[in-house]
Amino acid sequence: DTGVSQDPRHKITKRGQNVTFRCDPISEHNRLYWYRQTLGQGPEFLTYFQNEAQLEKSRLLSDRFSAERPKGSFSTLEIQRTEQGDSAMYLCASRRVGQNDNSPLHFGNGTRLTVT
Amino acid sequence: AQKITQTQPGMFVQEKEAVTLDCTYDTSDPSYGLFWYKQPSSGEMIFLIYQGSYDQQNATEGRYSLNFQKARKSANLVISASQLGDSAMYFCAMSRYVMDSNYQLIWGAGTKLIIKP
Repeated sequence: DTGVSQDPRHKITKRGQNVTFRCDPISEHNRLYWYRQTLGQGPEFLTYFQNEAQLEKSRLLSDRFSAERPKGSFSTLEIQRTEQGDSAMYLCASRRVGQNDNSPLHFGNGTRLTVT
Repeated sequence: AQKITQTQPGMFVQEKEAVTLDCTYDTSDPSYGLFWYKQPSSGEMIFLIYQGSYDQQNATEGRYSLNFQKARKSANLVISASQLGDSAMYFCAMSRYVMDSNYQLIWGAGTKLIIKP
C-alpha cells in the first residue's frame, strides 16, 4: 500500500522566488487536502479537492498561492513571490470518501520550505 | 467556538510504562469525531485512532486506546507498554462536519512525548 508522497522534502529559496510542490495521494482516495504547519503548532487547513475540483479555500490562501489537481490524481501547490512568513512545513493529505464519512486523513511526509 | 486543548506541552516517560496524553475539547455540534495523530521528527503525520461522538465503546488500535468521556469532553490517548519509537509529537484533533461529506479538523497544540530507555 503506497502512502501519500510529497516532493521535494526540503526547499530553500530566496525571498521573491516562486516555488512549486507536488503531492501524489493514495491512489483510491478521491479527496486531497493541503495544510500548512509552523513550528510548535498544529496544521492549518489551506484547501481541498474532490477529484479535480477545488471545493474550498482557506482565507490563509492568499493570491500568491495556487493549487491544482488537473487530472484528479496528483496535485501541485505553487507559491509566487515567496515571503519569509511562508517558511513552514506544507503537508498534503488524502482520504477516500464513500460510505464512511469519518475516514481519517492520511498525510505525506511534508515539504519543508525555508525562505531566506 | 470549537477548540481542542492539550495541556501537556511535554512529557518524559520511562520505557515500557503506560502513557496518558490529555485532550479536552469544546463544541456545540451534536456530531463530531476525535482523532489522534503522531508526528515523529521526520514530519509525517501518522493517523493513530478515531472515536465518533456517538460511539458507545472506547476505540482501541493495538497499543493505543482512546479514553472517551463525553460528559467531561475529554478524549485522552493511552499508550500501553511504551517503546522508544513512540517518542514524537502527538496531536489531538476534532472534526467538524461542514457539507458534502467533508469535515474540518480543529487541532490541538500537541504534546511532545519522550520515552526514556
